[in-house]
Amino acid sequence: GESVGLHLPTLSVQEGDNSIINCAYSNSASDYFIWYKQESGKGPQFIIDIRSNMDKRQGQRVTVLLNKTVKHLSLQIAATQPGDSAVYFCAENTGFQKLVFGTGTRLLVSP
Amino acid sequence: GAVVSQHPSWVICKSGTSVKIECRSLDFQATTMFWYRQFPKQSLMLMATSNEGSKATYEQGVEKDKFLINHASLTLSTLTVTSAHPEDSSFYICSVDRGRVTYNEQFFGPGTRLTVL
Repeated sequence: GESVGLHLPTLSVQEGDNSIINCAYSNSASDYFIWYKQESGKGPQFIIDIRSNMDKRQGQRVTVLLNKTVKHLSLQIAATQPGDSAVYFCAENTGFQKLVFGTGTRLLVSP
Repeated sequence: GAVVSQHPSWVICKSGTSVKIECRSLDFQATTMFWYRQFPKQSLMLMATSNEGSKATYEQGVEKDKFLINHASLTLSTLTVTSAHPEDSSFYICSVDRGRVTYNEQFFGPGTRLTVL
């Protein structure tokens, strides 16, 4: 389904903490998922992706977990830094090349 | 990834005027580009899929006569907001689809902020 949100949930963490951002997706047929980071006034930036035949994928300081049973996706950021402050969106590939974006979570990192 | 640019980065116009936004794929020939709209504190909403050499495919609820899309070359897609009104004020973002090497691999431009007075 489409994502509509009037209020962005916010996650506030201290520098050095680990951050976990969660996302519930809507389409059980989605086969590919991506996390994007969006800084204020900029376009989304690719962080990490995962296919539906996997349940975990690791990148540099980031890990994505996929639970297809409950249609849940999470992004874990290790040793969060002030530069990680941004809005994070999950997106699902519903087919036909289209991406559907989640509502987003604002991450605030305090020094 | 792919390098995507948009022009202008911001524009302010009077109600009733038309505004053209360009999206360029700088290092990749893109058969398919996408246009999104993002209102403040909201997520990205797909407006249309732009296909080189053919008509764009619009999402439900998006007026094709108001948001004109032209994808005349493999490196350029344009979005024209015709007879803009204040409710069209938004952040417009394009993306380039690099194909299905790793499924839907979209790379986004920096966005264009449109303010209609």
